[in-house]
Formats: sequence, structure tokens, C-alpha cells
Amino acid sequence: EDQVTQSPEALRLQEGESSSLNCSYTVSGLRGLFWYRQDPGKGPEFLFTLYSAGEEKEKERLKATLTKKESFLHITAPKPEDSATYLCAVPLRNDMRFGAGTRLTVKP
Amino acid sequence: GAGVSQSPRYKVAKRGQDVALRCDPISGHVSLFWYQQALGQGPEFLTYFQNEAQLDKSGLPSDRFFAERPEGSVSTLKIQRTQQEDSAVYLCASSLATYQKAFFGQGTRLTVV
Repeated sequence: EDQVTQSPEALRLQEGESSSLNCSYTVSGLRGLFWYRQDPGKGPEFLFTLYSAGEEKEKERLKATLTKKESFLHITAPKPEDSATYLCAVPLRNDMRFGAGTRLTVKP
Repeated sequence: GAGVSQSPRYKVAKRGQDVALRCDPISGHVSLFWYQQALGQGPEFLTYFQNEAQLDKSGLPSDRFFAERPEGSVSTLKIQRTQQEDSAVYLCASSLATYQKAFFGQGTRLTVV
């Protein structure tokens, strides 16, 4: 069965404390892996798409990487404004299958 | 418009009442999705449109849920005889084509009392 699992469920960091979020998937015929950021009361906002193992993409303090079984979202020297829920998703036949998300809190 | 617009932002319905949620996708986007998001969970797929055709409605939880996109643009998600378990945030998303990044609206928070 196609599954997307994110860990940890919640992560609390001090400002400047780097860490990584994990997204593991079991999908046959991967057609890309998407990362989104969701702030409270808002819809998910697109961050990255990765298509093949070994691919990396960066945006400010975020870097996403992809292997054949999982993706990591690395956060370098985070700031309080990086606090949000980070969702990963994989496209299936007609929909996007989302993980439950990692709720990140960055304390000043 | 500049983004995906959903209305209303908040809806309180009495149990048994019918509700209609509206989604205005980004102009020109072929694909339109509806998702349901419970508190602390990721979005769960409900249904998918390609232009006006509803190609997948496998995620609709019961026959009380109905969605349409008659002219291939605006979409409406209708829930009949609402139940407390229908309380959730309903998200609409659109994309240029299948497997491309999706743009989400702000969602409609439905509370059934």
C-alpha cells in the first residue's frame, strides 16, 4: 500500500540549532516528492519538488534531499519564523498522498 | 486571481444542515483537488477534477458528500445532512497539470454543532 510517514511528529529547537526532518515513502513508480510548509490557519505552501534519488534543492535555511526510500528536510540555523508544520507528499494516480507532518517550533 | 480562493473561511452548521463550500482555482489550472484536514493531521484526499470531469471521487467519505466543477473553473463541495464527524478544515488546491505542484487555498473550517 502506498504510504508516506513523517518523523518526528513534533520538534522543538533553539534558534540556531540545526536539525533534519524525515519523510519515508513506499510508492511504486515515484513521480516526485513534494515538500510544503503550513502555518496555522492557512493552506499548505509549496517549498520543493524532488524527482530523482540524489537530487537536492535549497531555499534560504532549508535544504531538501531525496533517496530511493526517503527524503530529508534539513534546517540550518533556524529562526523563530521557521516555526510551522512541514508536510511531504507524493503524487499517486489522481491525488497527492500527504504525510501527517512535522510540527516545528523554534524558540528564540 | 492571484491565488486559490475559498469561501466561506469559517462555517458553523447545525447537525443535519446542508452546506456548500466554494473554491475559485487559479485561472488556467486544469487540475483541482479537494482535501479534508483534521486537527494535527495531513490533508486527506477527497476528490479530483480535470477541467469539468470528476476523475476520482474515491476519497469522499460517504454519499452525503458531493462535488462539482461544471464549467471547469469554480468548484463546489456540498455536504448534505452534516454530522459532527464532518467537522474539519476543507482545502482546495489547483495545479496546471497532474503531478505538478499544487497551490492551496486558505481552507474552510467547518464546525458542526
